[in-house]
Amino acid sequence: GEDVEQSLFLSVREGDSSVINCTYTDSSSTYLYWYKQEPGAGLQLLTYIFSNMDMKQDQRLTVLLNKKDKHLSLRIADTQTGDSAIYFCAESKNTNAGKSTFGDGTTLTVKP
Amino acid sequence: EAGVAQSPRYKIIEKRQSVAFWCNPISGHATLYWYQQILGQGPKLLIQFQNNGVVDDSQLPKDRFSAERLKGVDSTLKIQPAKLEDSAVYLCASSSPGGSHEQYFGPGTRLTVT
Repeated sequence: GEDVEQSLFLSVREGDSSVINCTYTDSSSTYLYWYKQEPGAGLQLLTYIFSNMDMKQDQRLTVLLNKKDKHLSLRIADTQTGDSAIYFCAESKNTNAGKSTFGDGTTLTVKP
Repeated sequence: EAGVAQSPRYKIIEKRQSVAFWCNPISGHATLYWYQQILGQGPKLLIQFQNNGVVDDSQLPKDRFSAERLKGVDSTLKIQPAKLEDSAVYLCASSSPGGSHEQYFGPGTRLTVT
């Protein structure tokens, strides 16, 4: 079945870059997503990438996809304390984002 | 634009009791989702509605969970009877037609079953 793996924790200094990694097992994954969850809140879609793309950049966020290795990463440039949250990687095989498999999240802590 | 509303925010019940959660999606959003998020895990889709019809309920434990969206707007999710392993945050999300990548999540209801 589908499986999405993430490292559990990442700690960085304010102003540094953060890189959150994700691996998935299903080679038929079509869309890959990054969500952010702050304490006591629901998930916020940050960005997504289609499987035929290698990279997508959106302001401070850069998503890299290595489809051969089934590896996805999210780079946050100039990380701020407000970026502290749990980041979830997810995949889906069609345009219905609801049918996604989520990883268990990476807790990002940004130290001042 | 108002976001997805959920109530209650917190609920504590004893096992074998019943509980219901309510969700009001963003106005005009035809698609509504209920997720279960167990502590330390990612969300798992329980059920997806398109207007008032069920699109996917393959992961809904139908012996104890039920959900409805009678008028294609608000939705309720019910658990009867609850088990200890149902302790989780129940998230509701909605998306607009043609924009299913953009799911908007509510704050969730944290359920504790004792």
